[in-house]
Amino acid sequence: GAGVSQSPSNKVTEKGKDVELRCDPISGHTALYWYRQSLGQGLEFLIYFQGNSAPDKSGLPSDRFSAERTGGSVSTLTIQRTQQEDSAVYLCASIGRPNTGELFFGEGSRLTVL
Amino acid sequence: SQQGEEDPQALSIQEGENATMNCSYKTSINNLQWYRQNSGRGLVHLILIRSNEREKHSGRLRVTLDTSKKSSSLLITASRAADTASYFCATATFRNFNKFYFGSGTKLNVKP
Repeated sequence: GAGVSQSPSNKVTEKGKDVELRCDPISGHTALYWYRQSLGQGLEFLIYFQGNSAPDKSGLPSDRFSAERTGGSVSTLTIQRTQQEDSAVYLCASIGRPNTGELFFGEGSRLTVL
Repeated sequence: SQQGEEDPQALSIQEGENATMNCSYKTSINNLQWYRQNSGRGLVHLILIRSNEREKHSGRLRVTLDTSKKSSSLLITASRAADTASYFCATATFRNFNKFYFGSGTKLNVKP
């Protein structure tokens, strides 16, 4: 596609349920990032994939969070046993050439945990 | 933390005025970027300045970087109502120039 695509755009779930958020990066982009943005706040780094290298998971807040990237393209962020504090907008970004440093963001997935 | 911190947190100006936002960071950087976020939307890249650059222009945007003070400023000249958005700085270090840390943003309101 022309841009980074995220789905669902909105997700309401009950506390304790698992959720999956999907990111489809720009075709050919080798690096993919997940960030979390709480209401009115800045972006919190979660995880970063670069090509076939092991992902940098240093930002994942707990072991309830995991992410994978299949075939070097689509990525899924999974949150198990959701808690109310997980409510936020989850933003995905991709980057084509690391030297340019320009991140292309999707519109985000807004997660609300009741 | 390597995160940039923007200042002020909120800024309200009249259309036609200039808007200046500042970003301070803690560790040596490879580059610094500015992004804009309209309400409820994703972030859009505005401009990137590398550590060996001091000033950069793009249209009505002017970015300066002072590595000795570990700070950057974003100036928007002749602001328009459409410039109303949140503005974030993002830094990447030499150690890991592919990892970007964002600040908490400046919310700009341009009144028509």
